[in-house]
Amino acid sequence: DAKTTQPPSMDCAEGRAANLPCNHSTISGNEYVYWYRQIHSQGPQYIIHGLKNNETNEMASLIITEDRKSSTLILPHATLRDTAVYYCIVRVASGGFKTIFGAGTRLFVKA
Amino acid sequence: SAVISQKPSRDICQRGTSLTIQCQVDSQVTMMFWYRQQPGQSLTLIATANQGSEATYESGFVIDKFPISRPNLTFSTLTVSNMSPEDSSIYLCSVGTVPNQPQHFGDGTRLSIL
Repeated sequence: DAKTTQPPSMDCAEGRAANLPCNHSTISGNEYVYWYRQIHSQGPQYIIHGLKNNETNEMASLIITEDRKSSTLILPHATLRDTAVYYCIVRVASGGFKTIFGAGTRLFVKA
Repeated sequence: SAVISQKPSRDICQRGTSLTIQCQVDSQVTMMFWYRQQPGQSLTLIATANQGSEATYESGFVIDKFPISRPNLTFSTLTVSNMSPEDSSIYLCSVGTVPNQPQHFGDGTRLSIL
């Protein structure tokens, strides 16, 4: 699976959009981009995933560049409860589809 | 998504002892995984629990230390053997159904070794 690079930490003001970047320059054509988050004392929570098209759900939007070498997770109106570690993961969608975690980005949402 | 229950949710154990952690899912799943999260760190995959056969371990993890069972499609156990303080971590169970869909995680077992 391709390696991802994320900033170690970011701040965001409550009510503003949080834009979390991820670099995955070695991604292969059959690899999906997944985003999870982990709030303190809980297991990782799935947020969104995509292959090459932009995706949106009730939690967030995922923007993947045309060359697929990077992506951005957008939380449109961050709240204090969005303070968490966010993980960007690239994973092949076939065979033994285990998920390997990197260090992630620690997002602090401030009032 | 599947509901994942882990038991116990937390425990404090003496060094040299062993503890078995249970993972129960409310529906049949194809894949089950066990992860470790050391204090302040990200998650590390220990092994893939294979139904009816031996688990597949990642580099750095061995069956003698972390024996795993998976008797059916909804249940798995992870044993942490001969524990030392370095084994103090959160141990998480995760499940997956089809390859292009996300894995889901339980809330983990917090283990402290004295």
